[in-house]
Amino acid sequence: GENVEQHPSTLSVQEGDSAVIKCTYSDSASNYFPWYKQELGKRPQLIIDIRSNVGEKKDQRIAVTLNKTAKHFSLHITETQPEDSAVYFCAASQGGTSYGKLTFGQGTILTVHP
Amino acid sequence: DAGVIQSPRHEVTEMGQEVTLRCKPISGHNSLFWYRQTMMRGLELLIYFNNNVPIDDSGMPEDRFSAKMPNASFSTLKIQPSEPRDSAVYFCASTLTGTEAFFGQGTRLTVV
Repeated sequence: GENVEQHPSTLSVQEGDSAVIKCTYSDSASNYFPWYKQELGKRPQLIIDIRSNVGEKKDQRIAVTLNKTAKHFSLHITETQPEDSAVYFCAASQGGTSYGKLTFGQGTILTVHP
Repeated sequence: DAGVIQSPRHEVTEMGQEVTLRCKPISGHNSLFWYRQTMMRGLELLIYFNNNVPIDDSGMPEDRFSAKMPNASFSTLKIQPSEPRDSAVYFCASTLTGTEAFFGQGTRLTVV
């Protein structure tokens, strides 16, 4: 089955700095890669996703890059703000009827210091 | 739309008791997923349904766990008998083919 590795497990930055979280996956059949943000005691919420036919996607301060050859993808947050503090999860799936059949990474605790 | 609705939000039960978690997916979504979240194992998929039919239950940890989806708007996850190691947050999520997964607020289960 799929295996997703995520690094780092914790990340501490100053407000305004950039944050980068990296993930690798093992199953070459995976073609959908979402990123979820989870605040304490809340549900995971999608912040950005990328499909395998795209190498990069950007949404305001958030961007994701995908390298299918190397089987890795990364989340980039620029101009970080204290409200970006949360746990971030990467995930992978084979799409189709199973977009929600996600294998998650272990999570990254991001802390943005004012 | 109110999103994915789960109940109860919190459940405390004694070891050996039966526990039933409930989920109402987003109207019109055709796939439903049950996840479990623990500190040790992170977020892991237990089972998923497509058009009310169970497709993959390989993540269900033991026979003590069972899930049903009698119609497109309701699913249950049952644990019988419950054990302390079942303590976790259980999330339900739903999707429409080709779209993102939306998660419910979760049920925090504590088995004492």
